[in-house]
Amino acid sequence: DAKTTQPPSMDCAEGRAANLPCNHSTISGNEYVYWYRQIHSQGPQYIIHGLKNNETNEMASLIITEDRKSSTLILPHATLRDTAVYYCIVRPNSGGSNYKLTFGKGTLLTVNP
Amino acid sequence: DAGVIQSPRHEVTEMGQEVTLRCKPISGHNSLFWYRQTMMRGLELLIYFNNNVPIDDSGMPEDRFSAKMPNASFSTLKIQPSEPRDSAVYFCASSSTGGEGYTFGSGTRLTVV
Repeated sequence: DAKTTQPPSMDCAEGRAANLPCNHSTISGNEYVYWYRQIHSQGPQYIIHGLKNNETNEMASLIITEDRKSSTLILPHATLRDTAVYYCIVRPNSGGSNYKLTFGKGTLLTVNP
Repeated sequence: DAGVIQSPRHEVTEMGQEVTLRCKPISGHNSLFWYRQTMMRGLELLIYFNNNVPIDDSGMPEDRFSAKMPNASFSTLKIQPSEPRDSAVYFCASSSTGGEGYTFGSGTRLTVV
């Protein structure tokens, strides 16, 4: 599986947009980019995923560069409840290991009042 | 939908005792995963079931660990005998084939003294 690189921590002011970067320069053509987050003392929570087009849902937007070597998760109006560790994961959509979600260390996003 | 239900939420046991963790996946999900999370190693996939059949148990640390899925609505992870280094938070997750992502339970915090 392709590896991802994320900054260990980031800060964001409440009400502002939080932009979380992820580098996945070795991503393969059949691999999706997934984002999960883990709020303290809770299980990881699915946020969004995409292949090559930008995606948006009620939680966030995902911007994937044209070469697919990096992506950015955008929380448009961060709240204190968005403080969490955010994981960027690449995962194949077919093949023998397409079920695997391999979590790295993620980015600890702290939203400040 | 009650989500993925794990029990107990907390377990404290003495070294050498048998520990059984339980998981009820979301109805209709045909994939089930057991993860372990520690500060040192992060989130690790222990075992993956598809349609109640174990597909990948390569993450199970040793023979003291065993997992079963007797039916589509129940799975157990057993540690016998338990050791202090087994102390961790154990998460169960489920998904459907082609689903967007995993749904994690709230976890079981295991402390072996």
